[in-house]
Amino acid sequence: QKEVEQNSGPLSVPEGAIASLNCTYSDRGSQSFFWYRQYSGKSPELIMFIYSNGDKEDGRFTAQLNKASQYVSLLIRDSQPSDSATYLCAVKAVAGGTSYGKLTFGQGTILTVHP
Amino acid sequence: DGGITQSPKYLFRKEGQNVTLSCEQNLNHDAMYWYRQDPGQGLRLIYYSQIVNDFQKGDIAEGYSVSREKKESFPLTVTSAQKNPTAFYLCASSIAANTGELFFGEGSRLTVL
Repeated sequence: QKEVEQNSGPLSVPEGAIASLNCTYSDRGSQSFFWYRQYSGKSPELIMFIYSNGDKEDGRFTAQLNKASQYVSLLIRDSQPSDSATYLCAVKAVAGGTSYGKLTFGQGTILTVHP
Repeated sequence: DGGITQSPKYLFRKEGQNVTLSCEQNLNHDAMYWYRQDPGQGLRLIYYSQIVNDFQKGDIAEGYSVSREKKESFPLTVTSAQKNPTAFYLCASSIAANTGELFFGEGSRLTVL
C-alpha cells in the first residue's frame, strides 16, 4: 500500500463546476496535510494546508480533513480553465525531538477544466 | 525578490559523467531539500538539510551527493553510480524542517544520452 494515495485521473470537469480531489494516507500518526498545484512543466506551489479535522476555506478552495478515516480532500468551487493542473497531496509525519518529520507526496491527480 | 534559483534548467549528460545541479535561495530558510520527479510519480526525497553543515539521506539517495557549506546553497551532484538519472529535479526550502510548507525552485531537467 502506498503511503499517500491519489487517483491519478485525469479528472475532467466543466467550467463553473466543483472539482473534488481526494487523497488517503496510511500513517495514522500524520499531523499536517498539504495541497500543491503543479502546472505542466513547472514546479509545485503550495495552495492549501490543514492541520485539524474539519474544513478550511480559502477563496474558491476548501480543504477537508478526516483523521479517523485517514483522508484529506480538496474542493475547487467555480472551476476555471486556469485551474487545470496536477494537484499533489502531501502528508507530514510527526517529528520526534530533533528528527525530521518526513513529508510524503502522492502521485498527483491531473485536473482538466474544459470551457 | 526572494526565491529559489536552480541552474541549469536543462542539462544533457553522457553516461558515466557526474553533473552538479545548483540551488540557491535568498529566503533565509534553514531547511533545504532535493526531490526527484518522474512521469506519473510523486516527488521523491533525495537529500535534505535542516541546517548549515548538516544533511541527511532521503528515500532515494543512492548515486547522489550534496553539500551545505552555506545557508543559501545546496548543490546536488548526480554521480555515474545513479543508474537511471533522467528526471526532473526540484530543489525546495522551508523556514524550518518541521514544516511542510515548501517553496520550490523552477526545476532542472536532466537527460542522459
